[in-house]
Amino acid sequence: DAGVIQSPRHEVTEMGQEVTLRCKPISGHNSLFWYRQTMMRGLELLIYFNNNVPIDDSGMPEDRFSAKMPNASFSTLKIQPSEPRDSAVYFCASSLVSANTGELFFGEGSRLTVL
Amino acid sequence: GDSVTQMEGPVTLSEEAFLTINCTYTATGYPSLFWYVQYPGEGLQLLLKATKADDKGSNKGFEATYRKETTSFHLEKGSVQVSDSAVYFCALKGGGATNKLIFGTGTLLAVQP
Repeated sequence: DAGVIQSPRHEVTEMGQEVTLRCKPISGHNSLFWYRQTMMRGLELLIYFNNNVPIDDSGMPEDRFSAKMPNASFSTLKIQPSEPRDSAVYFCASSLVSANTGELFFGEGSRLTVL
Repeated sequence: GDSVTQMEGPVTLSEEAFLTINCTYTATGYPSLFWYVQYPGEGLQLLLKATKADDKGSNKGFEATYRKETTSFHLEKGSVQVSDSAVYFCALKGGGATNKLIFGTGTLLAVQP
């Protein structure tokens, strides 16, 4: 079975440009999480959705960040405009809400570099 | 709020050495506790978990015991291998119907032959 699929795997862009990261969760999973990983701050939860509805976006750094989940098989994380401090690895993870086990299935991440 | 604190790395060991990575937590109620592992270039994957006090999670030779009295969940392995080199994350899940996890900052383990 396919796992969580993220794209692009690597993105290099210039400050001020718009960045869109994409995620396809595991089929049948109804909970989706966006995390950001940096050396300084570790792994931070940005936002998560249950059944395509945003539940907690308190980790979204500022208005430059936005996330959508238009359907059960696709989510985007957008940064506009991007800044060098946004450079990080962004992970998407999915799970089954009903399982309530705490097991998240992670994608391989999107490494973003903002120059 | 809930939080997880784990020892800073890197931890460098020789093959077959004993491993301990410390993890303590702060949480209201009775959280579930987890260890996730991240191999180079990959996403995180669940290594083991414990859902209540005194539970011991184990997998691939790794173990961790949920200690409520010391609010700890230390990861141990009796004999590490080069293939165990990775970043290890301690995490907690609060109560309620959510799989939201709070992660520690991660500990890099490097095992030398």
